[in-house]
Amino acid sequence: EDKVVQSPLSLVVHEGDTVTLNCSYEVTNFRSLLWYKQEKKAPTFLFMLTSSGIEKKSGRLSSILDKKELFSILNITATQTGDSAVYLCALNTGTASKLTFGTGTRLQVTL
Amino acid sequence: NAGVMQNPRHLVRRRGQEARLRCSPMKGHSHVYWYRQLPEEGLKFMVYLQKENIIDESGMPKERFSAEFPKEGPSILRIQQVVRGDSAAYFCASSLQPGGARTYEQYFGPGTRLTVT
Repeated sequence: EDKVVQSPLSLVVHEGDTVTLNCSYEVTNFRSLLWYKQEKKAPTFLFMLTSSGIEKKSGRLSSILDKKELFSILNITATQTGDSAVYLCALNTGTASKLTFGTGTRLQVTL
Repeated sequence: NAGVMQNPRHLVRRRGQEARLRCSPMKGHSHVYWYRQLPEEGLKFMVYLQKENIIDESGMPKERFSAEFPKEGPSILRIQQVVRGDSAAYFCASSLQPGGARTYEQYFGPGTRLTVT
């Protein structure tokens, strides 16, 4: 059975800090890894990663995938209170394109 | 450019009633996915559909749950004879058509929060 494990489960940081969120996985037929941000509503798409070692970047957020060691990290620099959310990692596997989600990392950014 | 639309946003049903949840995909998207998020749990895949065709329903409970995506109109997730354990947020996502090794990101709707009393 495909497995996605995120760590830490929750994190509290001060505004301006840099955070690194982790996602490790065991899947039988990897196609892509996706990161989403979920506030009190729909998960919002952040990144999709398919190749090892290629960093994807969007503003203060960046992410990279290691297909040999089976993990990905999501970095957020200079955190702001608006970054407070649950960050979800998901694997797209097999031919059916369904996503298998981790339980998420709950990030709280305080003033 | 409207995103994924879901309605209703909130739905309250008494035990034994039927719940119908609707999802309209993003413009240009032909593939729809339904996920369920139970309180304090992660998102779990339920079913994957394209127009008039169920591609993968491996995450759907065997009884009481059904889904369709007709040629015209939104995708419908139907839950018959609801029970308290069905209370959850139901999210719909849509994507472009995957093909071969190519995959596309899924974009999520705002969800329907179902409460069974």
